[in-house]
Formats: sequence, C-alpha cells, structure tokens
Amino acid sequence: ILNVEQSPQSLHVQEGDSTNFTCSFPSSNFYALHWYRWETAKSPEALFVMTLNGDEKKKGRISATLNTKEGYSYLYIKGSQPEDSATYLCAGPVNTGTASKLTFGTGTRLQVTL
Amino acid sequence: NAGVTQTPKFQVLKTGQSMTLQCAQDMNHEYMSWYRQDPGMGLRLIHYSVGAGITDQGEVPNGYNVSRSTTEDFPLRLLSAAPSQTSVYFCASTDLPRDRRNEQYFGPGTRLTVT
Repeated sequence: ILNVEQSPQSLHVQEGDSTNFTCSFPSSNFYALHWYRWETAKSPEALFVMTLNGDEKKKGRISATLNTKEGYSYLYIKGSQPEDSATYLCAGPVNTGTASKLTFGTGTRLQVTL
Repeated sequence: NAGVTQTPKFQVLKTGQSMTLQCAQDMNHEYMSWYRQDPGMGLRLIHYSVGAGITDQGEVPNGYNVSRSTTEDFPLRLLSAAPSQTSVYFCASTDLPRDRRNEQYFGPGTRLTVT
C-alpha cells in the first residue's frame, strides 16, 4: 500500500443494521491514523485519532480498531441510524516527515434508510 | 470560539480572474492548511503553514499562493483562475502536534466555480 485507501466507496444499509468499512495505509513510518465524519454541506469533523497498534476507540455506537503492522483500520457502526448517513474519511501521514501533512482517502459514503 | 471561519461561502469567477479565499481561526493554532475537494478525489492538500511567516507546498500547489502574516489568518490566492480550479475549498487548523496526533478542525468550505 503506497497511499491511503478506503473501501467500500459507498454503502447503503437499513436502519438498525450494523456495518463496517476499511482504511488501508502504508505501515512503514506510521504514527497516527485519523477518522473524520463528513455530512453533506458541512465540514469534516474528527471522530478518532489512533496511534497504537491494537488501539480500539469508541464514541457512542461508532468504534474503530487499528492494526499498524498490517496497515489497516476498521470503523464499525452498531445499529445504524439515518443520522449516521455521511461520508467517513480516514487520513494518515504518507511519505512525509511532517506531522500534520495528512493524506486523505476518498471516503466511504454511508446511506442509512428507514 | 468561532473556530475556523471561511469567506466567501460561494464564488463564481471567470477564467483569468484572481481572488483571495479568506480563512481565520481563533484557537491560537500554529498549523493551518488548505484542501480542495473534488468528486472521487477526496481531500487534497494545497498549501500548509506551521506558523506565522512559514508556508510550504502540499500535493496540488500549482495556481495558488498563500501567506501567513499572523497566527490567525491564512488566505489562499488564486492568481489566474482556471476551470480546473472549480472545487470546494476547505481550510483547517490544528495545534502543532508534539506527537503528531492532533485532530484537524475544518472550516465550512468555499464553493468556487470558474467559468
């Protein structure tokens, strides 16, 4: 992996379904992986910043795990609600020595319907 | 705190015109950056600054200039607008991270159309 990649590109689930998506990143020189939630017509908001291999973070029904050795992070949403509909972005520092020169993935667009 | 503010929210330019997108933050953040967001491309870094008087190029700097005369402000200048610069522009700021973990705070975005 030479860049930050996210899958799937989009996801459509029913209310109450649990779902998860993936962020892959270069595992060499890793020091942080960011997850952002981006609602339509708004600006991205930080969900998690993860740094340690094996890290698990949780905010309400949303949680994330991190595997720095193999270069991936999973974002989970338990019992999806319509208000969870958004694009979920991950970002990491790729091929830079600069702390906040983040490279963003293209995002996973989640739509939750009733 | 107002957080990160951007003006204008919308702008239409003709090819060849110049303009400045304004960005300001009131959180005393040292680090500020500009991104552009295009369909299918995610957020791409244009320029960034690690403090007043210090700027550097990001991934897609061509056609844009920045300056950082104060901690609070980080304007982005389009020198001669081109249709390829039609995009949504986001400004972001964060504390200069000691351990590179600080989340970024984004402004509301400026939607620019170049005809």
